[in-house]
Amino acid sequence: DAGVTQSPTHLIKTRGQHVTLRCSPISGHKSVSWYQQVLGQGPQFIFQYYEKEERGRGNFPDRFSARQFPNYSSELNVNALLLGDSALYLCASSLVGREVFFGQGTRLTVV
Amino acid sequence: QKEVEQNSGPLSVPEGAIASLNCTYSDRVSQSFFWYRQYSGKSPELIMSIYSNGDKEDGRFTAQLNKASQYVSLLIRDSQPSDSATYLCARANTGKLIFGQGTTLQVKP
Repeated sequence: DAGVTQSPTHLIKTRGQHVTLRCSPISGHKSVSWYQQVLGQGPQFIFQYYEKEERGRGNFPDRFSARQFPNYSSELNVNALLLGDSALYLCASSLVGREVFFGQGTRLTVV
Repeated sequence: QKEVEQNSGPLSVPEGAIASLNCTYSDRVSQSFFWYRQYSGKSPELIMSIYSNGDKEDGRFTAQLNKASQYVSLLIRDSQPSDSATYLCARANTGKLIFGQGTTLQVKP
């Protein structure tokens, strides 16, 4: 079975631009979460979606938004990019209350 | 106090030795704990989950949970150079994972 897939794998954007990251969960997983990981730190929770509804939001500004589609895939959107948004963005999927599996991540560089 | 704390290391062990990685947490309510391995430039890979007090073994890996003392540990027996990576401890909290900063393990041939 395919794992969690994310696209693109790498991205370079300019300050002030907008970016959309995409994620397809493991088949059968209805919960999708997004995390941001900066160098030297553990991943930080951004959003969780379950059955197309937001179930949790981390301490991130309103420039960050996400949604989940009927097929359980998800998008993370970031507006007005800042240099500090440069990070590895991780999508994860799980069955409710069970182990969480991560995709390969999207490396975002803001210049 | 951080919610999940790990010593950033690096922890250096010789090949074939036991590597012991530790993690403490501040929330007494947490029920689920996870260890992830992350190679440089890659995403975290789940290696162990533990939900109840005591030990859980899977191959060369043993996770230990002590809820009264609020710590979780990971033992890696017969360490191999391929085990060299950052090990992330995480606890589950209402659907999200809270991570420590990770411990870098170096296994020297």
